[in-house]
Amino acid sequence: GAVVSQHPSWVICKSGTSVKIECRSLDFQATTMFWYRQFPKQSLMLMATSNEGSKATYEQGVEKDKFLINHASLTLSTLTVTSAHPEDSSFYICSASLGTGQPQHFGDGTRLSIL
Amino acid sequence: AQSVTQLDSHVSVSEGTPVLLRCNYSSSYSPSLFWYVQHPNKGLQLLLKYTSAATLVKGINGFEAEFKKSETSFHLTKPSAHMSDAAEYFCVVSRFGGTSYGKLTFGQGTILTVHP
Repeated sequence: GAVVSQHPSWVICKSGTSVKIECRSLDFQATTMFWYRQFPKQSLMLMATSNEGSKATYEQGVEKDKFLINHASLTLSTLTVTSAHPEDSSFYICSASLGTGQPQHFGDGTRLSIL
Repeated sequence: AQSVTQLDSHVSVSEGTPVLLRCNYSSSYSPSLFWYVQHPNKGLQLLLKYTSAATLVKGINGFEAEFKKSETSFHLTKPSAHMSDAAEYFCVVSRFGGTSYGKLTFGQGTILTVHP
């Protein structure tokens, strides 16, 4: 149980395009999902907390107009990287929790490469 | 505020020998503590969690960790390493309560190499 699916797993696109990443909780409902970014050989950095039916909460330094988050249902959150540039290339990982005090379960990540 | 320090960025062991990955934490609140493992180009898999119950926590794949409040440590151990254990391991702390409830703070990660 507690499976989180992330799609796509890998995307390459040209500079200036927008890229949407989906995060789904397959066998449970998640009121809250989290989006992380991981640079090579570094730890995970929380970008934002996605709340179903309300606006996402962004961490300091993360551009909310650049990284659009939508959490329209209890099983789906999306991250859209708008007008992507090479510096946005990274590994993006989402997670979801079963509930209060429960561990987060992670998707397999999305490798984003902007040319 | 909370923080996590993983004391070793790399650990190398021989197959069949014990594994010790060290983690110290700092938290203003009663913490929840986790160990996650990440294989290359993959997400994170939960190994085990501590949530104020028993201080010795058993996880998957033979791993266990002991919460020591006096030492603010939560070291991960395994009696006998397997080649498939080679991966990166993250010690993670989560806040109980407050506006940052549920947010995770990650250690820097420890890369475990297992030699035949």
